[in-house]
Amino acid sequence: DAGVIQSPRHEVTEMGQEVTLRCKPISGHDYLFWYRQTMMRGLELLIYFNNNVPIDDSGMPEDRFSAKMPNASFSTLKIQPSEPRDSAVYFCASSLMQAWRETQYFGPGTRLLVL
Amino acid sequence: GESVGLHLPTLSVQEGDNSIINCAYSNSASDYFIWYKQESGKGPQFIIDIRSNMDKRQGQRVTVLLNKTVKHLSLQIAATQPGDSAVYFCAENAGNTPLVFGKGTRLSVIA
Repeated sequence: DAGVIQSPRHEVTEMGQEVTLRCKPISGHDYLFWYRQTMMRGLELLIYFNNNVPIDDSGMPEDRFSAKMPNASFSTLKIQPSEPRDSAVYFCASSLMQAWRETQYFGPGTRLLVL
Repeated sequence: GESVGLHLPTLSVQEGDNSIINCAYSNSASDYFIWYKQESGKGPQFIIDIRSNMDKRQGQRVTVLLNKTVKHLSLQIAATQPGDSAVYFCAENAGNTPLVFGKGTRLSVIA
């Protein structure tokens, strides 16, 4: 398996623009997680899905952020409108149902810079 | 809310020496702990885990120790190699809740 795939790897955009981050989890994994990583706040869980259903989105910073998982092999994290403080590395991770809280496999991340 | 924290933000170790990375947690209900390694430009990678019914668990060159009395977790790396240079995160979990990650410790191996 290729592991968790994220795209784009790098994104530079201007304040106010819409940003869409994409994730393809490992095939067969039932859980998908979106994290944000910054120097100040470390690794923060934004939202996670179980069988394509959002379970907990309490980590989503504000209404500008939204996430979807239309099928088992694809998820998006959208920021609209983007702001400079959204600059961070965004990780997607997936895990098996029986190990959902255990071994999470992370993607390489998307490095977002909002100017 | 309760969170996981780290004693040392950076650690420099001579190649071949043993490394010890520490982590304090505050949620007494946490019953599962993981160490992740994150190399530059990559996502975190699972290293080793331990459940609260254990005090010690060993892997290949790594050992995790759990002291529930003082809510302390440590990761020991034997014979540290240049490839061990990375940021190490501890993470905790209580029951049916998602993992909570610490801020991380950067390990630098001096050749």
